[in-house]
This record gives sequence, structure tokens and C-alpha cells, in this order.
Amino acid sequence: DAGITQSPRYKITETGRQVTLMCHQTWSHSYMFWYRQDLGHGLRLIYYSAAADITDKGEVPDGYVVSRSKTENFPLTLESATRSQTSVYFCASRPGQRYEQYFGPGTRLTVT
Amino acid sequence: GENVEQHPSTLSVQEGDSAVIKCTYSDSASNYFPWYKQELGKRPQLIIDIRSNVGEKKDQRIAVTLNKTAKHFSLHITETQPEDSAVYFCAAEERDDKIIFGKGTRLHILP
Repeated sequence: DAGITQSPRYKITETGRQVTLMCHQTWSHSYMFWYRQDLGHGLRLIYYSAAADITDKGEVPDGYVVSRSKTENFPLTLESATRSQTSVYFCASRPGQRYEQYFGPGTRLTVT
Repeated sequence: GENVEQHPSTLSVQEGDSAVIKCTYSDSASNYFPWYKQELGKRPQLIIDIRSNVGEKKDQRIAVTLNKTAKHFSLHITETQPEDSAVYFCAAEERDDKIIFGKGTRLHILP
């Protein structure tokens, strides 16, 4: 489990501020993902990346930006945070198609 | 894109009985179906997965069945124990490699 980490673990920010959530994995997995988890909605995919410099939208990408300049890092930025973005955010990685996806410990974000 | 429906949203079973959670998917090209367990305050963790070239897979008290024709798959937990209480998520891998999750089933094991 120490192979994928997220920071910060908890964050409180104000509406309109920019905030970046970090994700780092040490396995050199090709694929990385960002999900948000809200009660009643399960895990919804925000963005994913199949390799460095390749990113694609998921189910709920609006209001978020990602980048992947290095294989091991996949930061998620909320350009102008809104209250509706209050959620628990999980980063995940996997080595390839049809393989297990490993989740990070999550970041609990509160937008006031 | 893929749509994964999961039922029921909540399930209560007596300790020692069996639990069944069912999921359907929409993309006929999907060929990988994992199941995750999430305990309160923790990250989701894989408990079993199945690829489309098999119809059933078993690991001790947990089994998964897949019907590709009907586009549905199910999780079966036998001889349930208190530690099985958690939220369970089914998922399906789309043709473009992203994994889409169902909304989850909260399983309560009653003493």
C-alpha cells in the first residue's frame, strides 16, 4: 500500500480558490486515475491517464485539470473550487489492461 | 460510454447466510470485471475479479459469475461473517481502458 500516496490527506479551502491534490506511485504503473466519492454516487471517474503526457476525461471532468509529465505523478487541480466539489478524492494506478487497480488512501476535501 | 448498474443498494443478511450482489453493464466490449470492498474510512480494495473468457471464479467464500450474453455479473459471499460488513463495488473496464464503478452495496451482517 505504501506504493501509492496522496497529499494532503485533509484539506479545507474556500470557494474560488485553486487547490491541487497530489498523487504519487512508486510502481511505474502505466495507468493512473482520479475518482471522487460522494454518498449515493459511488466512485465517479474524473480523469485518467494511460501513460505520461496522455490524459483523458472520465465521467465528471468539469472544473478539474490534470497533468502527467512524469509516470509516477498525477496531480489533480481544482481551478476555482466550488462547494459541490466537497468530496473524498481517490487516486488509483494499475499496470495495464485487465489488471487490478490500486487505490491511494484518499484526500478529504472540504470547500467552504 | 459504459454504464454499470448495481443492486441492491443495501443488503442485510444473518451471519452464516449467503449474500448476493448483482450488476449489469452496457458496453458489450467490456471484458474485465473487478469487485472492490471498502471498509469505513478506508480505501477500496480488490477482492476478486473475472475476465470475459471465464464464466465463474471462486476464492474461498467469495465467487463471481459472469453472463456476457445478458451483460450481467454477480458477487456471491457464502457463510457470511461480521468482517464481511462493508460497501462492495462492482466495476467494468471499458474498451478505452477506463474502469467504471457501480454505486455500491452496503452489506450489513446481522448477529
